[in-house]
Amino acid sequence: GAGVSQSPRYKVAKRGQDVALRCDPISGHVSLFWYQQALGQGPEFLTYFQNEAQLDKSGLPSDRFFAERPEGSVSTLKIQRTQQEDSAVYLCASSQSPPGQGGLGQFFGPGTRLTVL
Amino acid sequence: GDSVTQMEGPVTLSEEAFLTINCTYTATGYPSLFWYVQYPGEGLQLLLKATKADDKGSNKGFEATYRKETTSFHLEKGSVQVSDSAVYFCALTYSGAGSYQLTFGKGTKLSVIP
Repeated sequence: GAGVSQSPRYKVAKRGQDVALRCDPISGHVSLFWYQQALGQGPEFLTYFQNEAQLDKSGLPSDRFFAERPEGSVSTLKIQRTQQEDSAVYLCASSQSPPGQGGLGQFFGPGTRLTVL
Repeated sequence: GDSVTQMEGPVTLSEEAFLTINCTYTATGYPSLFWYVQYPGEGLQLLLKATKADDKGSNKGFEATYRKETTSFHLEKGSVQVSDSAVYFCALTYSGAGSYQLTFGKGTKLSVIP
């Protein structure tokens, strides 16, 4: 595609519900990142994939957060038993090259705004 | 850990005014530095970057110079336009993190009035 796409753009969940957020990276991009952006804050790193391998998940805030990229393209971020503090915009970014190969430019999707009631 | 500090907003300027948004960082080693912009209703876009000390990144009339001695990467533009109204984020990538994740500042909202 022309850019990174994310769906849904908006999600409202009741506390305790599970949600799944989808990211379609730019075709052929090896690296994929998820970030969480709270209101009025900068994005914070959640997890990183190189192709289908999840190489870094150090930013996931709890074991309720789970991400996958089974075929090395589309990625899903799943949040189980959502809590009010999970309310944020979830951003996906992709880049063409793996780290260390000059692939420092990350292209961001529009984000999914999650509101937990 | 690594961190980025940028000036508090919001910043309101008249059209054609000079813009400076300050950004300083703390990092172990030699990070690459970025400015991202988020226009209303849109996703983050890379505005400019610099990968080593004394490099100057520039794009769309904006520029920033990587100053290792002051650990700064201030964003400047000589004459802002209404269309520059957006939120600006300073960010760094540090290779030692292993995944080249971006570390962002909190963002500075710029409003340019005619």
